[in-house]
Amino acid sequence: DVKVTQSSRYLVKRTGEKVFLECVQDMDHENMFWYRQDPGLGLRLIYFSYDVKMKEKGDIPEGYSVSREKKERFSLILESASTNQTSMYLCASSHSGPGTLHLDTQYFGPGTRLTVL
Amino acid sequence: AQSVTQLGSHVSVSEGALVLLRCNYSSSVPPYLFWYVQYPNQGLQLLLKYTSAATLVKGINGFEAEFKKSETSFHLTKPSAHMSDAAEYFCAVNTNAGKSTFGDGTTLTVKP
Repeated sequence: DVKVTQSSRYLVKRTGEKVFLECVQDMDHENMFWYRQDPGLGLRLIYFSYDVKMKEKGDIPEGYSVSREKKERFSLILESASTNQTSMYLCASSHSGPGTLHLDTQYFGPGTRLTVL
Repeated sequence: AQSVTQLGSHVSVSEGALVLLRCNYSSSVPPYLFWYVQYPNQGLQLLLKYTSAATLVKGINGFEAEFKKSETSFHLTKPSAHMSDAAEYFCAVNTNAGKSTFGDGTTLTVKP
């Protein structure tokens, strides 16, 4: 079974702090994603990566950055945390066969609930 | 741009009753549609996906969904609800670049 792990289930930070959220997958997946989940808004894509050292902006990248130095690890960075970044953060990964990007199933981690005070 | 709309943010059914969760899509190209489920305090997991091989798709835990192009719908059904089905359900559409756009989610409550 694919396993996607996230470094923390719950995190409390103060406004202005730099925050690192870590995600690791163990199935050699090429693609990795970061979402935030807010009630009534579903999942919104922050950043994604198709390969090591590659990154693409999603729908709501402002205030966030990412790092992918190794294939199995994708980090989300909040450069200066703000209260409006209080949310559930979900990491996901997927494998792409040739010409099958559109069929990819995403495998999700359990999420990190971040509170910024 | 592709999008999905889930009708009804909350659905409540009695145990043993039919479950129907609605999803309509908007897409200028053939859509690739997914249903995911999120149990409390967990990440999302795949229930089923439509890949154009068959319009009626069967998934895990007795769920199925029917792709109806004429109605631009991909509704999720289960004949008989169990208490363990209580969760949040998300419809999603994939782009050719492998990105997913998710609906806002529907919370299913199952009453004893």
